[in-house]
Amino acid sequence: EVQLVESGGGLVQPGGSLRLSCAASGFTFSTYWMSWVRQAPGKGLEWVANIKQDGTEKYYVDSVKGRFTISRDNAKNSLYLQLNSLRAEDTAVYYCARGGYSSVTFWSQGALVTVSS
Amino acid sequence: DVVMTQSPLSLPVTLGQPASISCRSSQSLVHSDGNTYLNWFQQRPGQSPRRLIYKVSIRDSGVPDRFGGSGSGTDFTLKISRVEAEDVGVYYCMQGTHWPFTFGPGTKVDIK
Repeated sequence: EVQLVESGGGLVQPGGSLRLSCAASGFTFSTYWMSWVRQAPGKGLEWVANIKQDGTEKYYVDSVKGRFTISRDNAKNSLYLQLNSLRAEDTAVYYCARGGYSSVTFWSQGALVTVSS
Repeated sequence: DVVMTQSPLSLPVTLGQPASISCRSSQSLVHSDGNTYLNWFQQRPGQSPRRLIYKVSIRDSGVPDRFGGSGSGTDFTLKISRVEAEDVGVYYCMQGTHWPFTFGPGTKVDIK
């Protein structure tokens, strides 16, 4: 059974940092692009970043470039998102998703990140 | 960025009746590799999104055949042939041809 289990969400002050982790199981992690997609409360979906199987290609939406970093550890079947210089508008549920070259095929349960003083 | 628009944004439907959602992109979604990366996702209340359709018209495994996708270029449609209670939720189209990938605003489907 495919599973993506996130951890690391929570409340952080503006300007602060947070690291999201996503543990994958039930599939060969190292053979898939992986992505992060977010959803602000009551709003639609926004693609944040994706990363190639070997980590050599990474893409970010403009609003997070220079602040967020996507990474992966294929030995640990894990995906990460480092969030720095957080702003109120980054408040959202962050989903880890399998895929990312042209689509995603499976989503995590999501982790809420709240940026507030 | 490619702007995705959907209509209607709200769609009350009668059980057993058909439903149709339109999705338009601000530029062609035909990729240089010849594929058209237009996807449809369903998000039921309180759940994570689930992909229904990819590459315009290919249903994902386990998706009921009452869901069908069509279209080309910049105009796409998701049709539900007979709406069931479990189809309530928000439907998003998403383009995976041009980076950054972008979603439509979503169409909320509920039962009349």
